[in-house]
Amino acid sequence: EVQLVESGGALVKPGGSLRLSCAASGFSFSSYSMNWVRQAPGKGLEWVSFISSGSSYMYYADSVKGRFTISRDNAKNSLYLQMNSLRAEDTAVYYCAARGSRYGPLGHWGQGTLVTVSS
Amino acid sequence: SYVLTLPPSVSVAPGKTARITCGGNNIGSKSVHWYQQKPGQAPVLVVYDNSDRPSGIPERFSGSNSGNTATLTISRVEAGDEADYYCQVWDGNIDHAVFGGGTRLTVL
Repeated sequence: EVQLVESGGALVKPGGSLRLSCAASGFSFSSYSMNWVRQAPGKGLEWVSFISSGSSYMYYADSVKGRFTISRDNAKNSLYLQMNSLRAEDTAVYYCAARGSRYGPLGHWGQGTLVTVSS
Repeated sequence: SYVLTLPPSVSVAPGKTARITCGGNNIGSKSVHWYQQKPGQAPVLVVYDNSDRPSGIPERFSGSNSGNTATLTISRVEAGDEADYYCQVWDGNIDHAVFGGGTRLTVL
């Protein structure tokens, strides 16, 4: 069974940092590109970041560029998102999602982890 | 950057057909994916590559894509189909995912 399990969400003050993790199992993690997608309370889905299967390529939404860093450890079947200089508008549920092919769908999603940025 | 436009809401009676349209510039040249999200749950893929269905998704869900509009069609709508629906594409060669703003499907 495919599983993606996010962790690391918490309440953090503006300007603070947080590291999210996503543990994968049940599929060939190293063959999939991975993404972070977030959803602010009551809002729609917003793509945050992408990392290719071998970590050669990383992309970010303009809203997080320069503040967030995506990484992965294929040996540990794990994906990470280092979030620095957090703002109130970063408050959201963060999902990790797997993509199997170029231009393909996000076929596997985790259950999400909540990040709240507030003083 | 590429923009996808979805109607905020669509209402349909049980047993009828719901159509949710996703607009984008020359979207017909892209692969469109559709996700269903119920309250408090993660999104679930219901249609990929314009018209294919993942295993486990009922045949009632279908998709099409041409010109500037992609469409998700849900036939014989059931109460359990009530959810938010999102269309998604990849923006050019830069591996940025783009989501439409979401459509709330209400079953009357």
